Amino acid sequence: GAVVSQHPSWVICKSGTSVKIECRSLDFQATTMFWYRQFPKQSLMLMATSNEGSKATYEQGVEKDKFLINHASLTLSTLTVTSAHPEDSSFYICSARRIAGGPDTQYFGPGTRLTVL
Amino acid sequence: GESVGLHLPTLSVQEGDNSIINCAYSNSASDYFIWHKQESGKGPQFIIDIRSNMDKRQGQRVTVLLNKTVKHLSLQIAATQPGDSAVYFCADPAGGTSYGKLTFGQGTILTVHP
Repeated sequence: GAVVSQHPSWVICKSGTSVKIECRSLDFQATTMFWYRQFPKQSLMLMATSNEGSKATYEQGVEKDKFLINHASLTLSTLTVTSAHPEDSSFYICSARRIAGGPDTQYFGPGTRLTVL
Repeated sequence: GESVGLHLPTLSVQEGDNSIINCAYSNSASDYFIWHKQESGKGPQFIIDIRSNMDKRQGQRVTVLLNKTVKHLSLQIAATQPGDSAVYFCADPAGGTSYGKLTFGQGTILTVHP
C-alpha cells in the first residue's frame, strides 16, 4: 500500500508551451501533497505545498503564476508549468501525506523528467 | 541546511565494506531527521529516522548517529552491496513530523563497486 504515481514519467516540450504533471495517491487519500524540483546532481528543493480544496502555498522564489498547482481531489494534485523555458528542465517529484489507514507520513512519487527544448 | 546550486559529493566503496555518509544541519531547533535513498531516475525512499532525544538508531544494516552538539548526522551502511548505490539525503521535516514539508540536505552519491 501507500503508492504514489506521477504522469507522465517524462516529457519533452517546446519552449513556450505548457506542461501538466499529475500526482496521484493510488490507495490512500492525501489532503496534503508536496511538489519538489531537482536539478541534475543536486538536492531536492521544495516548490510548494498543495492542500486539497485550497490554494497552494509556494516557497520563496517560486513563481505561483508560472507553476500552477491544483489539488482538486483527495487523490490528485497537478502541477502545470506554464510557458516553459529550457531553464525549467528538471526532475519534478511529488509526495503525498497519508493520514489514515497507516502511519501518518508522506510517500514520494517516482518523479517526472521535464525537458524543454 | 539547504543545498541550492551545490553539486553532490561522492563516496566510492567496495562491496562488503561499511559506508559512512555524513550530513550537517544548521537549525539547532531541529528535532527530527529522516534519511532517504534515491536511486537513479526515481523518487526518494524512506530509510530510517531519528529524533533528537536519541543519539543512535539502528535498522537493518543501517545505523544513524546524531551529534546535536556539532549539528551532525551520519548514516552507516554495513556490508555495502551494489544495490545500495544511490544518492542519500538527510532531511529535516517541518514541525518535527514525518509528514511535514522537507528541507533536504546536500546529499551524497554512493557508488558500490563489485
